[in-house]
Amino acid sequence: ETGVTQTPRHLVMGMTNKKSLKCEQHLGHNAMYWYKQSAKKPLELMFVYSLEERVENNSVPSRFSPECPNSSHLFLHLHTLQPEDSALYLCASSQVRGLEQFFGPGTRLTVL
Amino acid sequence: GENVEQHPSTLSVQEGDSAVIKCTYSDSASNYFPWYKQELGKGPQLIIDIRSNVGEKKDQRIAVTLNKTAKHFSLHITETQPEDSAVYFCAASISTGGNQFYFGTGTSLTVIP
Repeated sequence: ETGVTQTPRHLVMGMTNKKSLKCEQHLGHNAMYWYKQSAKKPLELMFVYSLEERVENNSVPSRFSPECPNSSHLFLHLHTLQPEDSALYLCASSQVRGLEQFFGPGTRLTVL
Repeated sequence: GENVEQHPSTLSVQEGDSAVIKCTYSDSASNYFPWYKQELGKGPQLIIDIRSNVGEKKDQRIAVTLNKTAKHFSLHITETQPEDSAVYFCAASISTGGNQFYFGTGTSLTVIP
């Protein structure tokens, strides 16, 4: 147990649906991250929040919208996704940006 | 930006043998190199890391070596056990003021009982 939880663990959605992924960290960390993990590809960093301020947005399509209401919670809002967005979405947190990131178990997303 | 390459992509060893996974990186400014283990249905878990001011670090059966000149680092697992079977990822980052981890593509390790 790493202290980072994600819900839901599995999600199936149609291309016209709107859904949200939730991440919560119980480690007192200051930075939180969203990653996309697809088969045979390196983990792709999507967003970084440091002290609740977004500091990184790696050219992610606008159909993905992050929200960080406080240092313990991170959301990823999804709308009008494409089948190629199907992947494992991982949340991570760290005390300091760039060091020792702790990952949650991920949300397995399937877009039909 | 940084480019991390990881080899091999799959590795099978007999229980009790050693396993070695190698990564290379391109940005000489990278100074923090973690290794993650990901079991089926779980997120990656940090198993060991090394900073650029150290050449080797060991934790029980796991060790990591770093060659800054050649820009490569390796994970060594000795006396492998079936529970070591998982996907292993290396990463590189610049720890001071950085926020980007650059991950390798992963190595699927199978330990055969």
